[in-house]
Amino acid sequence: DAGVTQSPTHLIKTRGQQVTLRCSPKSGHDTVSWYQQALGQGPQFIFQYYEEEERQRGNFPDRFSGHQFPNYSSELNVNALLLGDSALYLCASSPPTADTQYFGPGTRLTVL
Amino acid sequence: AQSVTQPDIHITVSEGASLELRCNYSYGATPYLFWYVQSPGQGLQLLLKYFSGDTLVQGIKGFEAEFKRSQSSFNLRKPSVHWSDAAEYFCAVGWEEYGNKLVFGAGTILRVKS
Repeated sequence: DAGVTQSPTHLIKTRGQQVTLRCSPKSGHDTVSWYQQALGQGPQFIFQYYEEEERQRGNFPDRFSGHQFPNYSSELNVNALLLGDSALYLCASSPPTADTQYFGPGTRLTVL
Repeated sequence: AQSVTQPDIHITVSEGASLELRCNYSYGATPYLFWYVQSPGQGLQLLLKYFSGDTLVQGIKGFEAEFKRSQSSFNLRKPSVHWSDAAEYFCAVGWEEYGNKLVFGAGTILRVKS
């Protein structure tokens, strides 16, 4: 049983560019959450998708947007990249009617 | 506002010694509590969780944690640490009234000396 998968593993962008990160949830999971983990810090909640809608959002600007597809996979888009967006981006999925989140390996984004 | 505190940034223990990592949270009477472990450059692996019931929960790799509502704490313990336990440990809390968004502590880096 494959766990949560994320692509790409690493990404290097320059300031002002746009980036798209992808996540496939565990089989049977319908909810996807995204977190940003800056170096030396704990993960911070960006937003959560359920039934192709953004259900909850953390304290992140509108430059951060997402999407969930009918197969429950998800994308995180970040526009107008800033140096401070450099971080590990983690995707987590959870099953229906359950609150346990299972994390993927993350995408390391470096903004130069 | 919801917050999670892990007061120890680094902890060093000898192999075979016992371990306790501290976690305190603020706000709310109905928390969901988790401990995750992260190896360098990796994602988060779930060690254990508490939703309700017995306040002492067992997890993987020989870890356990105890929920103490009166102290708003959920400390992680292991009776005998192995060198492979060296990693960063994160406490995370969700609150029923806030959906299943997780708030994480800043993490505790565990070093194991032989």
